[in-house]
Parts: sequence; C-alpha cells; structure tokens
Amino acid sequence: EDQVTQSPEALRLQEGESSSLNCSYTVSGLRGLFWYRQDPGKGPEFLFTLYSAGEEKEKERLKATLTKKESFLHITAPKPEDSATYLCAVRENQKVTFGTGTKLQVIP
Amino acid sequence: NAGVTQTPKFQVLKTGQSMTLQCAQDMNHEYMSWYRQDPGMGLRLIHYSVGAGITDQGEVPNGYNVSRSTTEDFPLRLLSAAPSQTSVYFCASSSSTSEAFFGQGTRLTVV
Repeated sequence: EDQVTQSPEALRLQEGESSSLNCSYTVSGLRGLFWYRQDPGKGPEFLFTLYSAGEEKEKERLKATLTKKESFLHITAPKPEDSATYLCAVRENQKVTFGTGTKLQVIP
Repeated sequence: NAGVTQTPKFQVLKTGQSMTLQCAQDMNHEYMSWYRQDPGMGLRLIHYSVGAGITDQGEVPNGYNVSRSTTEDFPLRLLSAAPSQTSVYFCASSSSTSEAFFGQGTRLTVV
C-alpha cells in the first residue's frame, strides 16, 4: 500500500532560522511528488512538482529536493508569513496520496 | 477563469439527512477527486474520476457516492449523513501531467 510520511508533525522556528521538512514515501511507480502549502480555512496551494531523483526546484525561500525514497523542503531564513501547514503528496498513476503535513510556525 | 468551485462553503446536517456537495472546474481537466480532511489525518481520498463516466473508490469511500456525467462537474453525495462524516471536504482537479488544483473546501457538520 502506498504510504507518505511527513516529519516533523509540527515545527516552530525563529524568524531567520533555516530548517528542513521531510517527506518519505513508498510507491511502486512514482509519477510525481508534490509539495503544497495550506493556510487555515483554505484549500492547499501548489508549490512544486518533482519527478525524478536528484531533481531540485526553488521558489523564494523554499527549495524542494527529491531522492528515491524521500523529499525535503528546505526553508531558508523563514519569515512569519511562511507559517502554514506544508503537505507532501505522491502520484502513482491517477491516484494522489497525501501525507498528514507539517505545521510550521515562524516566530518574529 | 474560476478554477475549481465548491458549493456550499458551510453546511449543517442532521443525522440521516442526505445532501450533495457540488464541484465544478473550468480547466478541462480529466481527473477530479474528492478528499476529506480531519485533524491529524491529513487529506484522505474518498472517490476519484479519470474522465466522464469513469469513477473509482479511494481510501474512505463508504457512505459516499459520486458520478461524473460531464468533464466539468463531479458531485459528491452523502446518502445518510452520520456524525463521523463531520469534516472539511475538498474537491481537486488535474490533468495527466499537472498538479492538482483545489477548491476552497466545504465545512460539513453532522449533528
């Protein structure tokens, strides 16, 4: 059975304190790994798609990387507005399975 | 270009009542899905569709029905609401090569 595990469940950072979120997965045929950001009361907002090991994508203070078994979302010098829940998802054929998310709080 | 539109945004049902959550997309996406989101459990797939007339079950399908008569619409039906179906429901659409686009969600409470 496909499984997506995110860690940590919650992360509290001081503004400017860089860190990484982890997403490990077990699928037989990965057809895309996705990172989303979700703010309270809203639907998930797309950040990145990664397709193959070694691939990296960047957007402002966020950088996503992918290996054969896991993905990392690196947050460099975070700001309070980066506070949100970050979701990882994997697609195998037509099905997309989500992890439970990491709730990030950035304190000024 | 509205993207994915869900209605209603909020709903309160009594146990045993039925209702339909509406979802429409205007991006001509072939894939559409319904998820429920509960605290600590993330997004769980209820049903999905790979095109008009084709649907399949996800992880938690019991108590829900879907149909897909057009590319644009993918309604989710609760046949006899139960308190365990209290949740936030999200509809999503995608193409075979794109990420999923989500609606803003329907917050359902069953009393």
